[in-house]
Amino acid sequence: ILNVEQSPQSLHVQEGDSTNFTCSFPSSNFYALHWYRWETAKSPEALFVMTLNGDEKKKGRISATLNTKEGYSYLYIKGSQPEDSATYLCAFPYAGNNRKLIWGLGTSLAVNP
Amino acid sequence: TAGITQAPTSQILAAGRSMTLRCTQDMRHNAMYWYRQDLGLGLRLIHYSNTAGTTGKGEVPDGYSVSRANTDDFPLTLASAVPSQTSVYFCASSDSFGELFFGEGSRLTVL
Repeated sequence: ILNVEQSPQSLHVQEGDSTNFTCSFPSSNFYALHWYRWETAKSPEALFVMTLNGDEKKKGRISATLNTKEGYSYLYIKGSQPEDSATYLCAFPYAGNNRKLIWGLGTSLAVNP
Repeated sequence: TAGITQAPTSQILAAGRSMTLRCTQDMRHNAMYWYRQDLGLGLRLIHYSNTAGTTGKGEVPDGYSVSRANTDDFPLTLASAVPSQTSVYFCASSDSFGELFFGEGSRLTVL
């Protein structure tokens, strides 16, 4: 059964702390790995779409790395701010079809001021 | 920029009734999607469309139908609603890089 797992399920940090969380996915037949940010009462917003093993992408204080051989990706947030509080989702195409994404349940991040 | 517009934002529906959730995009993206989001299950793909005139089944297509008559519109129809279809429904489109752009969601309650 194809599965995308994210850990931890939730995280509470203080403002200024750096944090990271993990997305694990099947390492065979890799196509792409997506990261999204979902704030409460809003809709998910794309952070990164990663396709190359060893790739690292960065957007402001948020960065992500990808290891397709072992099937994991890390998302890092440097110097967390209260506005970073959100659920961070990863997703993985299944059935060899980039239109069909399997989504993880997300890591819920709360940044206390 | 509007992006993805969904309507209605919320609806209460009697079981057995039909309902169409509307979705319109103004980004000229080829691909569009309908997802449902349920507590503890995450986002699940219902149907998708690669381009106007084509549709495909996702993970949970039963009880739903879609059409893609043009690039901008991708309505989702529940022919005879059941309580298990109570959910929050998200429409999305994707650009050439594969990034998804989501609407604000439609909350549907089937009684």
